[in-house]
Parts: sequence; structure tokens; C-alpha cells
Amino acid sequence: KAGVTQTPRYLIKTRGQQVTLSCSPISGHRSVSWYQQTPGQGLQFLFEYFSETQRNKGNFPGRFSGRQFSNSRSEMNVSTLELGDSALYLCASSFEGIDGYTFGSGTRLTVV
Amino acid sequence: DAKTTQPTSMDCAEGRAANLPCNHSTISGNEYVYWYRQIHSQGPQYIIHGLKNNETNEMASLIITEDRKSSTLILPHATLRDTAVYYCIVRASTTSGSRLTFGEGTQLTVNP
Repeated sequence: KAGVTQTPRYLIKTRGQQVTLSCSPISGHRSVSWYQQTPGQGLQFLFEYFSETQRNKGNFPGRFSGRQFSNSRSEMNVSTLELGDSALYLCASSFEGIDGYTFGSGTRLTVV
Repeated sequence: DAKTTQPTSMDCAEGRAANLPCNHSTISGNEYVYWYRQIHSQGPQYIIHGLKNNETNEMASLIITEDRKSSTLILPHATLRDTAVYYCIVRASTTSGSRLTFGEGTQLTVNP
């Protein structure tokens, strides 16, 4: 079966711009989570969506937002980009969020 | 979620068993032990999880001590492709939202 698909794979943006990343979960999975990975902070949880509702949120500023559609596909948006937002953004899906998560390959965002 | 402690790095010879320890002395009764690994620049990969009984799947075995304060992930016949960062994560399995709290993990290097 198809895995978790994240698009785009690579992205270069300028400070102050905004960006939208997309995640298509495994078919049938209803929980989608987003993580940020940087060399300094490691893997950090951003938020989780389940059946179009955000049910868990990490410690990130309001510039980071997300949503989930009725087909479980999810997007995350980062507004007013800062250099420190350069990171690998990972999406993970699971059936209900209590079993093992399957991660995508990530979107590498570079802010210049 | 309970905190985990893992060695920073370990080496293993190809073909031998790799035993990766994890301490989670503050684990609660409803918390599961999960193992993920991340090969360089890819998304984390789910390996195995368990509550109190030992578990085995096609990838690995998980041995949890009787007091549940520590566990060991066993890769029975390590290959070069098992070189990765291995994360031990403890979290409650609930339907009210969940997150994976990644520590720094153990860098396993499998040598030829």
C-alpha cells in the first residue's frame, strides 16, 4: 500500500514569506501529526489532527498552523518565515493515533 | 510521558545481534514502550512497541523487564542497513490525542 506522501520534498523561501506543506496519509488513517526536525532541537512535535479536529498541540508559536480535510489529507502553514524555521518537516499518520505511526520522507524547508 | 535514557552511541559487527538498552524508570502503568529508528535524512520508521510482555516481529524483539523500568531492543542479525539512530519512546496510549516525544536516541553503527 502507498505510504505517507509529503509534498514538496524541497522548498526554498525568503524570510517573511509564508509556506504551505502538504501530507497525504496512508489510506484509512485518520490521525495525522506534524513534527519539526532541526540539528539543534531534534524532533519536536507540532500538532496532531484527528477527523479534521486538532486534538494535540506542541509548543510552537501561532505562526505555525495546520488543518485536516475530510479525506484526512493535512496541510501545515508557516507564516512570516524566520531563518530558524529552516528544518525538515515530517508528517506521520496512524489509524487512531494510539498505534504505531508511519512517517513520510519529509519536506526540507530552507529559509534564506 | 515518562522520560527515557539511552546511550549516545553503540557499535555492532555485521551479522551479530544488536542489543539497544533503554531506561524508563518513571514509566506509568498505562504507558507503552515504542521504538523507532531514523536512517539519515529519512523519516523515522516504527519498529515495535509493547506494554509489559516481550514482543517480536519481523524486524526486532522487545524485551521489557518485569518492573518495566527498562527495556532492550534486539536486532537479531544486524546488517549495514541497520545503521541508524534508534529512539526509545514511552507514551500513554489514549484516544484523547497523542504525541511522540523523541529524545536524542542511540546512534547504532553496524560495522562490516
